[in-house]
Amino acid sequence: AQKITQTQPGMFVQEKEAVTLDCTYDTSDQSYGLFWYKQPSSGEMIFLIYQGSYDEQNATEGRYSLNFQKARKSANLVISASQLGDSAMYFCAMTGMQGNMLTFGGGTRLMVKP
Amino acid sequence: AAGVIQSPRHLIKEKRETATLKCYPIPRHDTVYWYQQGPGQDPQFLISFYEKMQSDKGSIPDRFSAQQFSDYHSELNMSSLELGDSALYFCASSPKKGRGRFDYGYTFGSGTRLTVV
Repeated sequence: AQKITQTQPGMFVQEKEAVTLDCTYDTSDQSYGLFWYKQPSSGEMIFLIYQGSYDEQNATEGRYSLNFQKARKSANLVISASQLGDSAMYFCAMTGMQGNMLTFGGGTRLMVKP
Repeated sequence: AAGVIQSPRHLIKEKRETATLKCYPIPRHDTVYWYQQGPGQDPQFLISFYEKMQSDKGSIPDRFSAQQFSDYHSELNMSSLELGDSALYFCASSPKKGRGRFDYGYTFGSGTRLTVV
């Protein structure tokens, strides 16, 4: 079974500062994928970034980067230069070899202060 | 670019009624997934279909059923609705994944918000 843990229910960050959202995972699979999604108040799930378990480089997508530490089983999301529009729920998720479904963490609500 | 289309966007039903949610995947995506997200909770996997056959089953109640049709669209049928079924229901689709990789264009629809009163 797979498990995702996000230990920060809510976080504040000052506009233009960087913020790190924590994610740890547990799986017995040797090969797996890690995802981060953003869910604004409107409800849609917006894909942000992906990291494969065998990828040697940390993934980056614009202002988003994923700090992947395989030995620690952590996949933290770093948002640089926070914007007011970054205020949303952020979910870490993973999939592996047992099936194509995603397992989600409990989410972190990020609030960006002007 | 075409996205995953879900209908309706909002649905209000009374207890013990039946609801049908529809999902139209991205063209050439052969796998469809259904998720349920209760208020303040993370999405929970319900069921998935690959090439019109049930692929994986999660925490889907027996009162719910789903299928994928020949045109690859999928429907989630929910009977004997309960107050606790009030949630945001997501459909997602993906093409067949490549060996050893999981970044296979997994795309979510905008969701159907079901309210049971």
